Amino acid sequence: TQLLEQSPQFLSIQEGENLTVYCNSSSVFSSLQWYRQEPGEGPVLLVTVVTGGEVKKLKRLTFQFGDARKDSSLHITAAQTGDTGLYLCAGVNSNYQLIWGAGTKLIIKP
Amino acid sequence: ETGVTQSPTHLIKTRGQQVTLRCSSQSGHNTVSWYQQALGQGPQFIFQYYREEENGRGNFPPRFSGLQFPNYSSELNVNALELDDSALYLCASSLGRTGGSTQYFGPGTRLLVL
Repeated sequence: TQLLEQSPQFLSIQEGENLTVYCNSSSVFSSLQWYRQEPGEGPVLLVTVVTGGEVKKLKRLTFQFGDARKDSSLHITAAQTGDTGLYLCAGVNSNYQLIWGAGTKLIIKP
Repeated sequence: ETGVTQSPTHLIKTRGQQVTLRCSSQSGHNTVSWYQQALGQGPQFIFQYYREEENGRGNFPPRFSGLQFPNYSSELNVNALELDDSALYLCASSLGRTGGSTQYFGPGTRLLVL
């Protein structure tokens, strides 16, 4: 059974601080996606990383895919209150199914 | 272009009952995937429909069944409801299968089984 473990499960920091969320697996994925989910809404795709070692930047968010395509990280620089939400990673397996992590609930305090 | 819509938004059922959840896909999308998201967890893949045919299924019992219509809207049916079926049910539409195309999620249907 393929599993994706996200850490930390919960993170509460002050505005302006930096943070990193991790997504780890023992399985190889063809690609990995990061989503953000607000209460009462479905997840919204932030980025897809495909190549081992790939780094993508989305404003203050930096996403990295591990060289072996088994793990990924999301780094947020100078967090803002608007970054508050549930961050989910999902790996695309060989059957084109999404395998999800349990999510990281992020709260940015003003 | 309209986004993915789901109905109803909330639903309360009792154990043993049956429920049907509905999803209208984004215009032009031919693939619908259904997910179950328990409180505090990530989504779990239930199944996917591509052009009215089931195209992959997760680890869910047969009492979870689905349907996709010619207009690519979809239904999720759950028979003999159990307490553990209480969750947010999400549908996502895409153009093509999961691996190669972006999935757009609806807001979900929150089901409570008493």
